[in-house]
Amino acid sequence: ETGVTQTPRHLVMGMTNKKSLKCEQHLGHNAMYWYKQSAKKPLELMFVYNFKEQTENNSVPSRFSPECPNSSHLFLHLHTLQPEDSALYLCASSRLAGEETQYFGPGTRLLVL
Amino acid sequence: GQNIDQPTEMTATEGAIVQINCTYQTSGFNGLFWYQQHAGEAPTFLSYNVLDGLEEKGRFSSFLSRSKGYSYLLLKELQMKDSASYLCAVMDSNYQLIWGAGTKLIIKP
Repeated sequence: ETGVTQTPRHLVMGMTNKKSLKCEQHLGHNAMYWYKQSAKKPLELMFVYNFKEQTENNSVPSRFSPECPNSSHLFLHLHTLQPEDSALYLCASSRLAGEETQYFGPGTRLLVL
Repeated sequence: GQNIDQPTEMTATEGAIVQINCTYQTSGFNGLFWYQQHAGEAPTFLSYNVLDGLEEKGRFSSFLSRSKGYSYLLLKELQMKDSASYLCAVMDSNYQLIWGAGTKLIIKP
């Protein structure tokens, strides 16, 4: 138990669906991250929020839309995804963005049909 | 470009010692992290090195040589539960983590 929870753990969706991934951290951290993990590839940083403000958007397609209502919660809204978006989506948090050890949630395994 | 290299897969025997290497080329250096990730679970933090040398934590040790762009994770007295992927990541000059693809470690009885 790392103090970071993610729901759902598994998600299957069609290309025309809209769904949201949720992440919550109970560590009192101020930075939260979304990563994409594909098989045998390095973790890809998608978005970074520091004190609820988005500080990084690593050229992520607009079909992925993040939302950070407060420092404890982070969402990733998904719409009109492609099969190549199938992957494990990991949320992480750290005390401050960029300078601290990151703590990860268990991820959402996403399959796009 | 920035690059982290580590072996894709390694096999070792229960009770033995294994060393997982990581080499990196990054724009700047603000520390190197090792994470463990069991299948279907969250990556969990193992170690952080920012100065040259060996850091020991129980059965696990991590070594760093900044001049060589090289680190290793040493696991002693291997147990079956050590079967996992081990991820190497370097924090660059922009304080962004650059990740390796991970090394899958298989422990055999």
